[in-house]
Amino acid sequence: GEDVEQSLFLSVREGDSSVINCTYTDSSSTYLYWYKQEPGAGLQLLTYIFSNMDMKQDQRLTVLLNKKDKHLSLRIADTQTGDSAIYFCAEKAANDYKLSFGAGTTVTVRA
Amino acid sequence: EAGVAQSPRYKIIEKRQSVAFWCNPISGHATLYWYQQILGQGPKLLIQFQNNGVVDDSQLPKDRFSAERLKGVDSTLKIQPAKLEDSAVYLCASSSNDNEQFFGPGTRLTVL
Repeated sequence: GEDVEQSLFLSVREGDSSVINCTYTDSSSTYLYWYKQEPGAGLQLLTYIFSNMDMKQDQRLTVLLNKKDKHLSLRIADTQTGDSAIYFCAEKAANDYKLSFGAGTTVTVRA
Repeated sequence: EAGVAQSPRYKIIEKRQSVAFWCNPISGHATLYWYQQILGQGPKLLIQFQNNGVVDDSQLPKDRFSAERLKGVDSTLKIQPAKLEDSAVYLCASSSNDNEQFFGPGTRLTVL
C-alpha cells in the first residue's frame, strides 16, 4: 500500500544480523506487524507490536518502533538460510480491521 | 490446530471466463478476509466478513467480483468475467480477534 513503504531488497551473510525497515504514514496506527512469505506460500505472522510499545523481542526477532518518526524495524539475529523470504510490514489503524501492507522486502541470505 | 485452507492452489483460465476460489478458515474464527496480491506488491483487502455478514467490501470490484459466506464458515470468491489484470494470488485470512490475522497458502490465478 502507498501508506506503508519498505526497501525492496536486502542481502545478508549467514550468521549476520538482518535489519528490515518500514515507514508508515497513518498516525492512528494501533498495531504494526511483520509477516514472512516464502515462495509459493501464504503469509506467516512473525510478530506484532502495539503502538504504545517501542520494543518487542521474541527469540531471534527484535521489533523497534519509533512512533514519532513512524518507523518500524525488524532485526533478525544470526540470520539463517531459512530466513530467505519476503518480509511484509503492515499496519492497522484505529477503528479499522483491515491491514495495509507494504510491497515487501526480499531478504536473500548468502553463505 | 489446522490452518486456513484454500483451493485450488493454482488456476489458469482465459480472459472472459469465470473462476471460483474456496476458503475454509480456522475453526471458530468469526472474521474472514479475502486479499488480492499482485506480483511484486503487498496484499490488498478485497472483502471482510464478520460471521456471514459483510463488514467491508469497498475495494471489491463489484462489477465482476462477488463473495459469499453463507453459513458463517466457508467462503467463496468468484470472478466473472475475468480480465488479464486479475492475475494475482488470492489470499484468504481469518481471525478471532482484532489483532491477529492468519493467512492461507493462497490461490495463484493466471488469466491468459
